[in-house]
Amino acid sequence: QQPVQSPQAVILREGEDAVINCSSSKALYSVHWYRQKHGEAPVFLMILLKGGEQKGHEKISASFNEKKQQSSLYLTASQLSYSGTYFCGKGTSYGKLTFGQGTILTVHP
Amino acid sequence: DVKVTQSSRYLVKRTGEKVFLECVQDMDHENMFWYRQDPGLGLRLIYFSYDVKMKEKGDIPEGYSVSREKKERFSLILESASTNQTSMYLCASSFRDRDNQPQHFGDGTRLSIL
Repeated sequence: QQPVQSPQAVILREGEDAVINCSSSKALYSVHWYRQKHGEAPVFLMILLKGGEQKGHEKISASFNEKKQQSSLYLTASQLSYSGTYFCGKGTSYGKLTFGQGTILTVHP
Repeated sequence: DVKVTQSSRYLVKRTGEKVFLECVQDMDHENMFWYRQDPGLGLRLIYFSYDVKMKEKGDIPEGYSVSREKKERFSLILESASTNQTSMYLCASSFRDRDNQPQHFGDGTRLSIL
């Protein structure tokens, strides 16, 4: 079952912060975050494993709440380069992922 | 850097044709994946392979088959293309370690079925 991402879309001005949530109706054991810029391949940002978190980038971090079965991606002091579609992926077995529907982030000057 | 290469960026085919989408990775990854990407639906897994000649159905396998004869190459086959298979197709690969290996994606093939 697909995790649910919220919001579906967000519009920011440079320097503003954003939070993207990823919720699952079943237990989460690992969460991957990816960003896809228009016309490009999705690019890996970070992985969060049960019982811990792994930060992949300086101003982009994430948390993992096992009890709430939710992960959140935090984008701080957004830059134009942050624009794109963000996907969370729920780890299932043998490295497979079930992705959310995506959150479109647009950063304006 | 990991390189995942998909054979075509754009492809136009006709209804009923047999269509082959090819994907090659150069990092000796055990796992390879085929996804379909549609607006508002995210990335949906079509098929997954964890070793040569091994395959497993994903969430939307109907109308598709796959082939993995060599470790570096994973092919997606549309047996008889239909207009509802018009979509963006993404290939990905990763090491097989259970949960903490990132997937690396190709640039995608935008397939139109007329």
